[in-house]
Amino acid sequence: KAGVTQTPRYLIKTRGQQVTLSCSPISGHRSVSWYQQTPGQGLQFLFEYFSETQRNKGNFPGRFSGRQFSNSRSEMNVSTLELGDSALYLCASSLTSGGPEETQYFGPGTRLLVL
Amino acid sequence: AQSVAQPEDQVNVAEGNPLTVKCTYSVSGNPYLFWYVQYPNRGLQFLLKYITGDNLVKGSYGFEAEFNKSQTSFHLKKPSALVSDSALYFCAVRGRAAGNKLTFGGGTRVLVKP
Repeated sequence: KAGVTQTPRYLIKTRGQQVTLSCSPISGHRSVSWYQQTPGQGLQFLFEYFSETQRNKGNFPGRFSGRQFSNSRSEMNVSTLELGDSALYLCASSLTSGGPEETQYFGPGTRLLVL
Repeated sequence: AQSVAQPEDQVNVAEGNPLTVKCTYSVSGNPYLFWYVQYPNRGLQFLLKYITGDNLVKGSYGFEAEFNKSQTSFHLKKPSALVSDSALYFCAVRGRAAGNKLTFGGGTRVLVKP
């Protein structure tokens, strides 16, 4: 079974631009979560989508948004990019949301560099 | 609020020696606990989890972890470390009412020397 895939793998943008990252979950998984990884702040939860609905949201500004499609694929969008948005963005999928047996499986990430 | 602490930024161990990576957590109610490993330029790989039951959890690649409720700890262990175990290890907690939100520790870099 194919794992979680993320596109693109690398991205360079300039301040003020916007960016869209894509995540395809493991087949059959309906929950997708997004995390930001930086050297300074570590791994931080952005949001979770389950059955096309945002279930949970982390403490990030409104410039960070996401959505999930009917096939469970998810996108996240960052508008008005800032230098501090440079990070590795990780997507994780699981079968459902919040159940005791749920394990999240991570994709390889998209590395975003903002110049 | 939930939180995780990994008190050691780096652990150095000789190949063949036991490896321990420490983790303590704080969460309301009973926790779900996880260990992940990250190799350079890669995402996170799941190693093992504690949900309920036996306090000793066995996972992938010979790793195991011991859940200690009184000490709110979930230390990762491997009896005999390999050079290929050199990587960044993350402990994470999920509260039972938090959906799939994982809160991670800061990570511990493990260096196994031949």
